[in-house]
Amino acid sequence: EAQVTQNPRYLITVTGKKLTVTCSQNMNHEYMSWYRQDPGLGLRQIYYSMNVEVTDKGDVPEGYKVSRKEKRNFPLILESPSPNQTSLYFCASRGLAALGQFFGPGTRLTVL
Amino acid sequence: RKEVEQDPGPFNVPEGATVAFNCTYSNSASQSFFWYRQDCRKEPKLLMSVYSSGNEDGRFTAQLNRASQYISLLIRDSKLSDSATYLCVVIGSGGSNYKLTFGKGTLLTVNP
Repeated sequence: EAQVTQNPRYLITVTGKKLTVTCSQNMNHEYMSWYRQDPGLGLRQIYYSMNVEVTDKGDVPEGYKVSRKEKRNFPLILESPSPNQTSLYFCASRGLAALGQFFGPGTRLTVL
Repeated sequence: RKEVEQDPGPFNVPEGATVAFNCTYSNSASQSFFWYRQDCRKEPKLLMSVYSSGNEDGRFTAQLNRASQYISLLIRDSKLSDSATYLCVVIGSGGSNYKLTFGKGTLLTVNP
């Protein structure tokens, strides 16, 4: 089954404790991206990647890091989480020739 | 002017009603347009692409007006299961050929 998976689905952590949210897709898609969704602000892109070892900042990259060492994986790293990073996070992927984007199920992060 | 703007609603309509959503975009060079549906904080899912000539999928009709820079979604004979948030998406906004820019979404509730 074609899908995008994220882990964990839910996470409660404390300020400053490094965390990683994993994202994996099994569709051999080149393009992957991370979004956060907050009430009243909609979906905002954090980082995206056009292919392995190619990443770039989205609209709200501050406080986040990503890496793309393998085509299927695109982890989101919060080196020192802060409460303003409490949000619902989505990973997404699509092929460069395709226009529709597949989303993962989301990760609900709470930073205390 | 925001890159992609939608009326946030909420729209409350009775079953069987026809409802229309509009979405405006600021970049006249935008290339591709979509409607996504998002249920109750789950991941967004592609509903339909929007073509210049207009396109229909069952009860759903999407249209693009490049001159006025807006896209629309018409839902006929609304069902309870149509209750969701509808997101318009524009590709090619902001100077990137691959960046997807999301509207903040329009909340639809279909009542019995």
